[in-house]
Amino acid sequence: NAGVTQTPKFQVLKTGQSMTLQCAQDMNHEYMSWYRQDPGMGLRLIHYSVGAGITDQGEVPNGYNVSRSTTEDFPLRLLSAAPSQTSVYFCASSYSSMSTQYFGPGTRLTVL
Amino acid sequence: GQQVMQIPQYQHVQEGEDFTTYCNSSTTLSNIQWYKQRPGGHPVFLIQLVKSGEVKKQKRLTFQFGEAKKNSSLHITATQTTDVGTYFCAGQEAAGNKLTFGGGTRVLVKP
Repeated sequence: NAGVTQTPKFQVLKTGQSMTLQCAQDMNHEYMSWYRQDPGMGLRLIHYSVGAGITDQGEVPNGYNVSRSTTEDFPLRLLSAAPSQTSVYFCASSYSSMSTQYFGPGTRLTVL
Repeated sequence: GQQVMQIPQYQHVQEGEDFTTYCNSSTTLSNIQWYKQRPGGHPVFLIQLVKSGEVKKQKRLTFQFGEAKKNSSLHITATQTTDVGTYFCAGQEAAGNKLTFGGGTRVLVKP
C-alpha cells in the first residue's frame, strides 16, 4: 500500500496562475480532505468529501475548487493563485469522518 | 463555527521533565483525536478519545477527555528528545463531518 500520495512535493507559481494539486489513496477510504498549514495556524480545512461525487466546503474554501470523480482521487485546484495561498497543503483520507486520518507527505506551494 | 484552541503554543522542556498540553473546544465534541507532526513531516495519528472522562495511555503519553467532552489533555512524562514535534488535537462536533484542528503545541526538548 502506498497510502496517501501527493504531487508535486514543491511548486512555485506566479500570481494569477492556476494549477492542480494531486492527491490519491489506495486504502479504499470514503472520506478525503484538504488542509493548509501556515506557521502558527495549525491545520485549516479547505474542502472535504464523504464519498465519490460528494464534496463540501471547509473553513477556508475561497480560491480553491475540488471534485471527487473516483474514490481514489481528490484533486485540489487553485483557480488564480495569490501570495496568500503560499502554504503547505496536506491531503488526508480515512474510512469515515470519525476515524483515523492518514495524511500525505504534503505539497509546499509558493506564490510569487 | 466550532473553534478548537490549544495551549501552550510553544513548550520548552528539559529532557526528563514532564509537561502537559491542553485542548479546548467551543462546542461539545463527539470525539477528539491527537496527532504528532515531526519537523518537516506530516501529521501522524496518535489516539482517539470518544467517551466522557476517558483516559488512555501510550507508554509515556497519557490522554484525557473531559467530562463535558469539550476539552482534552496530553501529558508526557520523562520527556525524551524523540518527543520533539508539534502535537495537534482535532475535534469533531456531534452533528457534522468536519474535523477541526487546534493550532498545535510545538515541543522543544533541551538535552
